[in-house]
Amino acid sequence: SQKIEQNSEALNIQEGKTATLTCNYTNYSPAYLQWYRQDPGRGPVFLLLIRENEKEKRKERLKVTFDTTLKQSLFHITASQPADSATYLCALRTGTASKLTFGTGTRLQVTL
Amino acid sequence: GAVVSQHPSRVICKSGTSVKIECRSLDFQATTMFWYRQFPKQSLMLMATSNEGSKATYEQGVEKDKFLINHASLTLSTLTVTSAHPEDSSFYICSARDLRGQTQETQYFGPGTRLLVL
Repeated sequence: SQKIEQNSEALNIQEGKTATLTCNYTNYSPAYLQWYRQDPGRGPVFLLLIRENEKEKRKERLKVTFDTTLKQSLFHITASQPADSATYLCALRTGTASKLTFGTGTRLQVTL
Repeated sequence: GAVVSQHPSRVICKSGTSVKIECRSLDFQATTMFWYRQFPKQSLMLMATSNEGSKATYEQGVEKDKFLINHASLTLSTLTVTSAHPEDSSFYICSARDLRGQTQETQYFGPGTRLLVL
């Protein structure tokens, strides 16, 4: 069966360190993988999209990698800040017309 | 980025009543909008895909007669929870896909509507 797993339910790191979140999938051939941030009681906010033919994408302090052989995406936040504390969701789409399917999310807590 | 709004942000209703939730794309046109439901500490589950001018496509296990979806224009979709029961209490989130240029693959989400059925 198809699965999207975000390995850690919660991740605690110290301010200034790099946070690395993992998204693994099985029985999918995603064309796009997206990362979202969700704060409590709010809708997800789009962060980054990476296509199947791209290995890495960056945006300011964020970096996403996509390894279709390992069936894994890594999401990095460098120089993390307490304001980065939130739940981060990965989501897959197999084609432009297909639906977006979400992982369970990782709750990141950045402490001083 | 594209902005999606939802109204109301939270609603409390009595069991048996119907509740309508509006989803609007504010600065772009969306031929397709999506409705999700999220229970506490769980991920988003797609309920239905709403296409402008045609009937919505519901996911398996979602009752189309209970969750009525109307997508009358390129900027507005509505979800009506009919005869709501306490088990319908959840966080309902809509999203829309911006069809412009290179962002076609990206879905933007509304802020969500917290529904509590007493």
